[in-house]
Amino acid sequence: GAVVSQHPSWVICKSGTSVKIECRSLDFQATTMFWYRQFPKQSLMLMATSNEGSKATYEQGVEKDKFLINHASLTLSTLTVTSAHPEDSSFYICSARTGGENSPLHFGNGTRLTVT
Amino acid sequence: GQNIDQPTEMTATEGAIVQINCTYQTSGFNGLFWYQQHAGEAPTFLSYNVLDGLEEKGRFSSFLSRSKGYSYLLLKELQMKDSASYLCAGLDSNYQLIWGAGTKLIIKP
Repeated sequence: GAVVSQHPSWVICKSGTSVKIECRSLDFQATTMFWYRQFPKQSLMLMATSNEGSKATYEQGVEKDKFLINHASLTLSTLTVTSAHPEDSSFYICSARTGGENSPLHFGNGTRLTVT
Repeated sequence: GQNIDQPTEMTATEGAIVQINCTYQTSGFNGLFWYQQHAGEAPTFLSYNVLDGLEEKGRFSSFLSRSKGYSYLLLKELQMKDSASYLCAGLDSNYQLIWGAGTKLIIKP
């Protein structure tokens, strides 16, 4: 089955530093990847849609200059949390579809970010 | 506005059957998904319904009624490993996923 690999699984960083999260589609090409954030006991919140070779589409309220997304190839998208603050601590999950727009999302294992 | 409603938490006994309900209001409709999410892990796909009726897949079944804006996930022969959150998500006319907050299912021996 389709596999989406996300790295790192967890990261602890100091306030003010930047963190890069990688999302790879291992056995399929993904022109579009989706980045989600999930706070404890809350639902998934779509942050942005990453498009290969073009700019990401950010959801309302998500700062594009803070959450930098790069989708340079058909198998890799990266999310960089710049100048991280404690309130950015969350569970970040990437996902992609292997088929059309009504096909299920395949999720990476997620990245637990803790900003101290 | 668009909205997905599902119970926050449910408790069931090992070996029993449990039904998790979901009601949805979306701008247009292109189907409904159910995902399972264990604590600290990413969601995994369970089912997709776009037509009315029941879809059975092993111990798990999913039902959809488009006229009622209603779906349920039925879990049979519950096992302890089924303890997880179950997320309902509707796909709107723009193929955007609208996520519910999830139902935490607690299985007791």
